[in-house]
Amino acid sequence: AQTVTQSQPEMSVQEAETVTLSCTYDTSENNYYLFWYKQPPSRQMILVIRQEAYKQQNATENRFSVNFQKAAKSFSLKISDSQLGDTAMYFCAFLVFTTSGTYKYIFGTGTRLKVLA
Amino acid sequence: DADVTQTPRNRITKTGKRIMLECSQTKGHDRMYWYRQDPGLGLRLIYYSFDVKDINKGEISDGYSVSRQAQAKFSLSLESAIPNQTALYFCATSDLDAVDNEQFFGPGTRLTVL
Repeated sequence: AQTVTQSQPEMSVQEAETVTLSCTYDTSENNYYLFWYKQPPSRQMILVIRQEAYKQQNATENRFSVNFQKAAKSFSLKISDSQLGDTAMYFCAFLVFTTSGTYKYIFGTGTRLKVLA
Repeated sequence: DADVTQTPRNRITKTGKRIMLECSQTKGHDRMYWYRQDPGLGLRLIYYSFDVKDINKGEISDGYSVSRQAQAKFSLSLESAIPNQTALYFCATSDLDAVDNEQFFGPGTRLTVL
């Protein structure tokens, strides 16, 4: 079975500081994709960053970067120079087409991040 | 204009009523999805469709049905709503040809079943 675990329900960070959100997952599949989505108070889901499992290089998008550890099945998100607009719920998500032919897009339970002025 | 729209944005209904949530997209994507979001549970997949003639059950399909009326439209129905279906519902789309399968979400429908 595929699972995604976000062990930090809530976090806070001072403006301009760096924060890391953790995510672990479990799968027996070898090819999959990992995502971080952001959900601000407007409740619109927005993709922050994506990582293909076959790529060893960690993905980076401006102030957002990931630490992808495939062997440990860990996919953490680092936000540098935090801004007030980063205040949101962050979801880790996992996509795989299983060898049995089914499609799995699984979300974690989310981490609520608050950036403090 | 929004690429993925959902109607209604908010709905309050009573137990036993039939409810339809509608989703439309102008992105030209083949794939469409319905999720529900509950506090502490994240998003869970209800149904998905990879083209007009394709409907697949997701993780939590019991009590729901869907209809893919056209490439751009994907509706979710609750035949007889019950209070534990109170949740935030999201429609999403993705591009068949996109390697990374990024999903694009609508603004959500908040449904309350009394």
